[in-house]
Amino acid sequence: QKEVEQDPGPLSVPEGAIVSLNCTYSNSAFQYFMWYRQYSRKGPELLMYTYSSGNKEDGRFTAQVDKSSKYISLFIRDSQPSDSATYLCAMSEGGSEKLVFGKGTKLTVNP
Amino acid sequence: DGGITQSPKYLFRKEGQNVTLSCEQNLNHDAMYWYRQDPGQGLRLIYYSQIVNDFQKGDIAEGYSVSREKKESFPLTVTSAQKNPTAFYLCASSIKRMAQETQYFGPGTRLLVL
Repeated sequence: QKEVEQDPGPLSVPEGAIVSLNCTYSNSAFQYFMWYRQYSRKGPELLMYTYSSGNKEDGRFTAQVDKSSKYISLFIRDSQPSDSATYLCAMSEGGSEKLVFGKGTKLTVNP
Repeated sequence: DGGITQSPKYLFRKEGQNVTLSCEQNLNHDAMYWYRQDPGQGLRLIYYSQIVNDFQKGDIAEGYSVSREKKESFPLTVTSAQKNPTAFYLCASSIKRMAQETQYFGPGTRLLVL
């Protein structure tokens, strides 16, 4: 079993839709969870950062962590064509310098 | 503007040639990282450095070498021993937040073999 699993998609939605992106993981020691957005041929940019379980909201983006199920989600409300990108989840143990990344989900939002 | 710069944007390597990718940051971050990204494979850690003059191997260090002589700079050399170097190379640096290092990425260098 891979340490972090992420459906690669591709995922295609109409503009204005609610998008749900997910990752599952096997290491119960993970405490820090991140979502990165990567546009084509660019470096990833940090989108959301969450510690332990719970929800975090930032504008149209909501990150959820369910440690009991080892499952994290990123929700995008009112999706826009500019949200079209690959979304990478990443996580780490407390105090660890290493991040473990999912393989990324490619999202296309159609106008 | 603070940030991470990588150069060149594209790099071509001939068979048997060593090439060096540059990574510079002016964020005053202590830690720096090199990743390789291949289609469908996600990001894989090559090397990382927590402080100047010290670095550790990541998951796929074979065929690569690094140095960390200055806090701002972490160059990566792809040696001739790396038989499949074609990939997108990403440099990152990190700042501690809540005891966790959150990593910020540069724009990347695409390496192609001639």
